[in-house]
Amino acid sequence: EAGVAQSPRYKIIEKRQSVAFWCNPISGHATLYWYQQILGQGPKLLIQFQNNGVVDDSQLPKDRFSAERLKGVDSTLKIQPAKLEDSAVYLCASSFASGQIYEQYFGPGTRLTVT
Amino acid sequence: AQSVTQLGSHVSVSEGALVLLRCNYSSSVPPYLFWYVQYPNQGLQLLLKYTTGATLVKGINGFEAEFKKSETSFHLTKPSAHMSDAAEYFCAVSGPAGGTSYGKLTFGQGTILTVHP
Repeated sequence: EAGVAQSPRYKIIEKRQSVAFWCNPISGHATLYWYQQILGQGPKLLIQFQNNGVVDDSQLPKDRFSAERLKGVDSTLKIQPAKLEDSAVYLCASSFASGQIYEQYFGPGTRLTVT
Repeated sequence: AQSVTQLGSHVSVSEGALVLLRCNYSSSVPPYLFWYVQYPNQGLQLLLKYTTGATLVKGINGFEAEFKKSETSFHLTKPSAHMSDAAEYFCAVSGPAGGTSYGKLTFGQGTILTVHP
């Protein structure tokens, strides 16, 4: 079974530029999560999708971050414009469903450096 | 609101020694508890989880954890450390099924485990 795929693995941009990350979850997984992991901290949930609908985006900085999950499969997370404090690893995870005991499967992450 | 505190950002043990990584949680409802491991440049992998039932939970790679409600703790242990156990470990909590925080993981800050030969 293929795992959660993310690209790119690394990205370096200057502040005020825009950037996008892509995630392909495990086939059949209805729930998709984006986390931000700042160096030295645990992952923090940014947004949760159930199929192509948003379940929770309460911690997403909506003035600069946006995310979508078209057709309930792949997802993209965008930052525009980026700030220095956005430097972090962005993790995508998926799970079979949110209505039962579940396990979240994580991708390898995208390491973003904002200079 | 839920929170997780991992005591000790770095733990160092000798190969063959006991591994003990500490985790305390705060939750207003009976929690679901998890331990994840993260190897360099990789995503998180689930080691074990507690939802209901037996409070001593066994996971992969010889790890186990015990849910102690009275101490609000979920410490991770392994009797004998291997060099391959060197990684960062995260404790996480979510609310139980049916609650508003179900499925939403809140992570601790992580503990880096170093294993010396």
